[in-house]
Amino acid sequence: GEDVEQSLFLSVREGDSSVINCTYTDSSSTYLYWYKQEPGAGLQLLTYIFSNMDMKQDQRLTVLLNKKDKHLSLRIADTQTGDSAIYFCAESSGYSTLTFGKGTMLLVSP
Amino acid sequence: GAVVSQHPSWVICKSGTSVKIECRSLDFQATTMFWYRQFPKQSLMLMATSNEGSKATYEQGVEKDKFLINHASLTLSTLTVTSAHPEDSSFYICSAAGTGANNQPQHFGDGTRLSIL
Repeated sequence: GEDVEQSLFLSVREGDSSVINCTYTDSSSTYLYWYKQEPGAGLQLLTYIFSNMDMKQDQRLTVLLNKKDKHLSLRIADTQTGDSAIYFCAESSGYSTLTFGKGTMLLVSP
Repeated sequence: GAVVSQHPSWVICKSGTSVKIECRSLDFQATTMFWYRQFPKQSLMLMATSNEGSKATYEQGVEKDKFLINHASLTLSTLTVTSAHPEDSSFYICSAAGTGANNQPQHFGDGTRLSIL
């Protein structure tokens, strides 16, 4: 079945850039998503990218997609302590159903 | 836009009680709603997918008689955990996808923490 892999933990200093990486196996993935989860809360949709795009930028967030390598990354510029959370990568292949990675915990220190 | 409201946010009840969790899309119509369960420090596990006006589709291993799902309108889905036991304690999260073309992104509620004593 489909699989989505992420590194489990990333630690950065405030003001630095953070890059969270994700790989997926489903070659029919149509959309790829990044969600943010703060402690005790639901998931917040940060951004998503269609599979025929290479890059998408939205304010401090930049998503890069390498479809050949099935690799997705999320770059957060000027990372703030409020960005500390768990970030989930997810993919769908046409019908809204999502396959999630296990999540990357981002810790931003002052 | 795309706000999903889920409540209650936290419920504690005795073993054997049935608990209903509501999921509402506040500013859009949701053709499809999803119910997830999340264990501590783990990813989301899809329990079931519900489409308005039809029976929910349950994932393998999820008991449909235990977790009753109703999606009576385009803005409301409910999950009822029947005769809850301590092993049902978990964080339950709903999401909703809008009408229109396929691949409408899912928007999530804030989750319900269920604790069964």
